[in-house]
Amino acid sequence: NAGVIQTPRHKVTGKGQEATLWCEPISGHSAVFWYRQTIVQGLEFLTYFRNQAPIDDSGMPKERFSAQMPNQSHSTLKIQSTQPQDSAVYLCASSLTGGAAEQFFGPGTRLTVL
Amino acid sequence: GDSVTQTEGPVTVSESESLIINCTYSATSIAYPNLFWYVRYPGEGLQLLLKVITAGQKGSSRGFEATYNKETTSFHLQKASVQESDSAVYYCALGDLNTGYQNFYFGKGTSLTVIP
Repeated sequence: NAGVIQTPRHKVTGKGQEATLWCEPISGHSAVFWYRQTIVQGLEFLTYFRNQAPIDDSGMPKERFSAQMPNQSHSTLKIQSTQPQDSAVYLCASSLTGGAAEQFFGPGTRLTVL
Repeated sequence: GDSVTQTEGPVTVSESESLIINCTYSATSIAYPNLFWYVRYPGEGLQLLLKVITAGQKGSSRGFEATYNKETTSFHLQKASVQESDSAVYYCALGDLNTGYQNFYFGKGTSLTVIP
């Protein structure tokens, strides 16, 4: 079991460029979560999929951010026209069933927007 | 609103000393709050340390304990005798059993360094 895999581990983009972050959940897990971590805000929930369907995106910024889960083996978080304030560590987690099941976190992707 | 506040770090403790990391929560819109401590050891991903889903109950793991106190809205993490290997960042978190943790609230984390 390789755990949750996130790629890339580090990404540097210029202001205005697009960034796509990838997450591969643990095989067999049906729920995927995305979080953003900054020093100022701490860990913030962004969005949640269960069985590939978007369930709750209440934490997603309304503009420029989007997430998809085209199949059970990966999810993507896309940020269009990146801004310096998007710089953060983006964490992906998966759980067996969603609900009360324990979430297993990936190592995160550190995004730096210059 | 719903939120979690925990001890601001960094915290430095000598090996074999006792530890308490404070955590208080606000769950105004959560019908069935569940409380968690997550930990991130150096070079590793965030992982669950312990969780308690019922008020009044105590969770324990790896020598750490935390009691879910609904009256004081607290979930403090304690250990009687810390070890150097406990050096890590600890996060208190609040979830909603009713909604399946769709919205999961984390504290900002407390960095702990244990001096040998």
